Amino acid sequence: KAGVTQTPRYLIKTRGQQVTLSCSPISGHRSVSWYQQTPGQGLQFLFEYFSETQRNKGNFPGRFSGRQFSNSRSEMNVSTLELGDSALYLCASSRQGAVGTEAFFGQGTRLTVV
Amino acid sequence: DQQVKQNSPSLSVQEGRISILNCDYTNSMFDYFLWYKKYPAEGPTFLISISSIKDKNEDGRFTVFLNKSAKHLSLHIVPSQPGDSAVYFCAAEGTGGTSYGKLTFGQGTILTVHP
Repeated sequence: KAGVTQTPRYLIKTRGQQVTLSCSPISGHRSVSWYQQTPGQGLQFLFEYFSETQRNKGNFPGRFSGRQFSNSRSEMNVSTLELGDSALYLCASSRQGAVGTEAFFGQGTRLTVV
Repeated sequence: DQQVKQNSPSLSVQEGRISILNCDYTNSMFDYFLWYKKYPAEGPTFLISISSIKDKNEDGRFTVFLNKSAKHLSLHIVPSQPGDSAVYFCAAEGTGGTSYGKLTFGQGTILTVHP
């Protein structure tokens, strides 16, 4: 059974540009969550999608957005990149996204903003 | 406001001995707790979880203990192996709609197991 797949693995962007990251969840999983990991803030929740609907959102500015497609694949977009957006972006999938269901993570996309 | 805290940034243990990783939380609405292991440049890997209605859950070498009154949980690894060397994250989930898909993580503890 294939795991969570994130593309690309590494990305270098210039300040002010925008970026789109992709996540393919485990087959049968309908919930996809996104997290940002930085050395200073640790792992922080960005948002969660289930059946193409955003059900939950973390405390991030509106420059961070996402969407989910009918096949449960998800993308997140960051516009007007800032140096502080440099981080490891992780996607996690679970069957329902409800409390008590384990989330499985992809390997992440390492974004560097220069 | 850090709702999940892992106060030990690092832990060093000899192979074969017990590793005990600790985690404290402040939000009494947290209902489910998980431990993840992470290697550099990889995503976290799920290890073990526990519901707030239990005080212990065991899976092979891994046991998680929950003390709800103290808002404290711990992960015991027995016996520790060099391959266990990684960063360990404690995570918590709350109840209600605002918790969908949301894990609140601690800052992590770097475990090093020496041969």
